[in-house]
Amino acid sequence: AQRVTQPEKLLSVFKGAPVELKCNYSYSGSPELFWYVQYSRQRLQLLLRHISRESIKGFTADLNKGETSFHLKKPFAQEEDSAMYYCALLNQAGTALIFGKGTTLSVSS
Amino acid sequence: DAEITQSPRHKITETGRQVTLACHQTWNHNNMFWYRQDLGHGLRLIHYSYGVQDTNKGEVSDGYSVSRSNTEDLPLTLESAASSQTSVYFCASSVGNTGELFFGEGSRLTVL
Repeated sequence: AQRVTQPEKLLSVFKGAPVELKCNYSYSGSPELFWYVQYSRQRLQLLLRHISRESIKGFTADLNKGETSFHLKKPFAQEEDSAMYYCALLNQAGTALIFGKGTTLSVSS
Repeated sequence: DAEITQSPRHKITETGRQVTLACHQTWNHNNMFWYRQDLGHGLRLIHYSYGVQDTNKGEVSDGYSVSRSNTEDLPLTLESAASSQTSVYFCASSVGNTGELFFGEGSRLTVL
């Protein structure tokens, strides 16, 4: 079965603290994984994808096939990082994204 | 600028009524999607289309239908609205199987 699990509904951290948003997946073969973000009053948008191996707004995510994880990390959280984050997996047919339930990140000063 | 727009942004309706949510994109994207967003469930795929006259069911398609008569539009119809369909609905489009979706602003539907 194809599935994305985000175990935390809410993650609260202080400004400057490290952040790790957890994502685990279930998939046969080589997955294509993504992180999407929804800031307050803004549209849901792509943050990064594992294929690109890029860092966006200081965030990185590494695919760990052994642990079937794709955790999103940032060394020093900023208040503007507060948002809802969704991990997503391209389905086996390659036709649509399967989203996790999302994690709300709250960064306070 | 190219855009994806949804209308109405907010709607309140009664159980049993037919409701149509509009989605219009000007990017000329072949692929269009409808998701619903619910607390505790995240985003779930309702229907999607890979081109004109093509429609496919997603994970939670019961009670919903779509039609694709042109590239720009994918309206979502609730044939007989139920309270369980109270949700925020997001339309999205993509140019290919890249996994990069461009989302609309969402339509909040309340079924009383």
